[in-house]
Amino acid sequence: NAGVTQTPKFQVLKTGQSMTLQCAQDMNHNSMYWYRQDPGMGLRLIYYSASEGTTDKGEVPNGYNVSRLNKREFSLRLESAAPSQTSVYFCASRGYGTSANEQYFGPGTRLTVT
Amino acid sequence: EDQVTQSPEALRLQEGESSSLNCSYTVSGLRGLFWYRQDPGKGPEFLFTLYSAGEEKEKERLKATLTKKESFLHITAPKPEDSATYLCAVQPNGRTGGTSYGKLTFGQGTILTVHP
Repeated sequence: NAGVTQTPKFQVLKTGQSMTLQCAQDMNHNSMYWYRQDPGMGLRLIYYSASEGTTDKGEVPNGYNVSRLNKREFSLRLESAAPSQTSVYFCASRGYGTSANEQYFGPGTRLTVT
Repeated sequence: EDQVTQSPEALRLQEGESSSLNCSYTVSGLRGLFWYRQDPGKGPEFLFTLYSAGEEKEKERLKATLTKKESFLHITAPKPEDSATYLCAVQPNGRTGGTSYGKLTFGQGTILTVHP
């Protein structure tokens, strides 16, 4: 099992450019999440998908869109990148259940917007 | 609003010097509290889930405990390979008492450095 995979690992964009961050999990998990991590801010939830076919906003959704392509894949799109979106982006997944099941994280995408 | 505060921000220990990391939280009904370890340039790695006050869990040199207001991560006789950032997160109950879809609120983390 590869767990949670993310592509690309690194990306540099110019202001106004667009890109899509890809995430896939092979653990048959229902829920998937996108976070950003900034120094001193901790991990903040951007969007999540509780199950295939559903998506919802997290704490910091502005400037982002998501697509739950199928049960395995959850992508994050930046339509018009801004320097404030320079960050490390993590995808995570979680198994089914109403109990507090843990989330499993990918290795991250380091994005710089100039 | 759910809040998680971790202290200290950074902790330097000598190898073998035991200590504790603190995670204080406020949440409207706790479904679970999680501890993660994060190495530089990597994603967070799951360590423990605690569900209710009084619960304890152990893994090698780490022991996590939980009260109604805070959690501690105790590190006994640490080694240099324990150096990492330790993250605490809470999952609240849903507003209607049901699921919150696993949404977590994270603290800022404690950077632990263990010197040989």
